Amino acid sequence: QAGLTQPPSVSKGLRQTATLTCTGNRNNVGNQGVVWLQQRQGHPPKLLADRNNNRPSGISERMSAARSGDTASLTIAGLLAEDEADYYCSAWDNSLNSWVFGGGTKLTVL
Amino acid sequence: EVQLVESGGGLVQPGGSLRLSCAASGLTFSSFGMNWVRQAPGKGLEWVSHISSSGMPKFYAEYVKGRFTISRDNAKNLLYLEMNDLRAEDTAVYYCAAKVFDYWGQGTVVTVSS
Repeated sequence: QAGLTQPPSVSKGLRQTATLTCTGNRNNVGNQGVVWLQQRQGHPPKLLADRNNNRPSGISERMSAARSGDTASLTIAGLLAEDEADYYCSAWDNSLNSWVFGGGTKLTVL
Repeated sequence: EVQLVESGGGLVQPGGSLRLSCAASGLTFSSFGMNWVRQAPGKGLEWVSHISSSGMPKFYAEYVKGRFTISRDNAKNLLYLEMNDLRAEDTAVYYCAAKVFDYWGQGTVVTVSS
């Protein structure tokens, strides 16, 4: 099944800003919105932003999600060492009737 | 506090079967859709199946359609995944996730090997 496209890796320095992207098509990202998940090594994923780009309770304000057309983005400002993790996007695809995931972006904080 | 606890994983031979369970607490289980998502060793997240709050409709990824069956018992706050005709490529950590991936369990490991 076709997935969403994410860059495999992004590296940024401490206190810098990282913007992670997620590209799909009109059947998924462009139509249904995207959820963003963070997965630290050895842990299950954690929801960072819902399909309306809202942060769940307890998620840092440094994280913000947005969408323009078929591309969604997650911006993490003021990078901390604890932000080093894998980040995944996912959207419901209404032509496949399935959830599709991106391949994940490994964020390295230098 | 929402808790999801998966169980039922293990080592199984190719062609074998397993039944995974996910016990939910701290949320109104019967109000929310549920998903199974898996992660092969060293790989990314891969969606497996979704079941709506009432039990229908159900959706499956192409690579498990016809082999896996998702179900739920709202009276017991339990989610299930019946897995048949298992293949080596089904080896993964299987997570249950509630709502629209709002909550996740710790996962249960399924290894398919002879």
